[in-house]
Amino acid sequence: DGGITQSPKYLFRKEGQNVTLSCEQNLNHDAMYWYRQDPGQGLRLIYYSQIVNDFQKGDIAEGYSVSREKKESFPLTVTSAQKNPTAFYLCASGQGRRRETQYFGPGTRLLVL
Amino acid sequence: DAKTTQPTSMDCAEGRAANLPCNHSTISGNEYVYWYRQIHSQGPQYIIHGLKNNETNEMASLIITEDRKSSTLILPHATLRDTAVYYCIVYRSNYKLTFGKGTLLTVNP
Repeated sequence: DGGITQSPKYLFRKEGQNVTLSCEQNLNHDAMYWYRQDPGQGLRLIYYSQIVNDFQKGDIAEGYSVSREKKESFPLTVTSAQKNPTAFYLCASGQGRRRETQYFGPGTRLLVL
Repeated sequence: DAKTTQPTSMDCAEGRAANLPCNHSTISGNEYVYWYRQIHSQGPQYIIHGLKNNETNEMASLIITEDRKSSTLILPHATLRDTAVYYCIVYRSNYKLTFGKGTLLTVNP
């Protein structure tokens, strides 16, 4: 089946640690996105990539880093510089002129111990 | 992108039509109206979008007023599985979606 996979579903991090969230898509989409969602809030854009080897900061990029070495993969690293990383992280992809029609993965819930 | 205003929550009886309103009074002529929904603890799901004309697909209908300052998403026969947060988004062309808090629709048996 075509779609977006995110792993793990739950992730625990100790303070001071970097962690990497995986996002893979087999939809052959050029664009990929990372969002953060806090309880009771909407989604906020962290980073996005329109094409391989290129990415741009979203609205809340501080404390996060990404790479886009392959079309199907867009991993997100939550660094120790992110002071409040506990949240629900969502990856999405889009294609063509209507890249705002985005397809979302199931999400990763990150908890800081 | 234009700002949207949605009610915080709404209730609907199972089998009845659910009408979810959205105000976007500052919308520009080249901005689209998009609707997504998010079932609890899942990723958002695209529903429908439109520019000027009313639109219908297998999931819902979108009614946009003639002045484009408001729209209504219609789920014709709501089921319990339609319980979700519904987001109305006004989009231009920068490939970025701005999600507000949306409307929590609760479908009751």
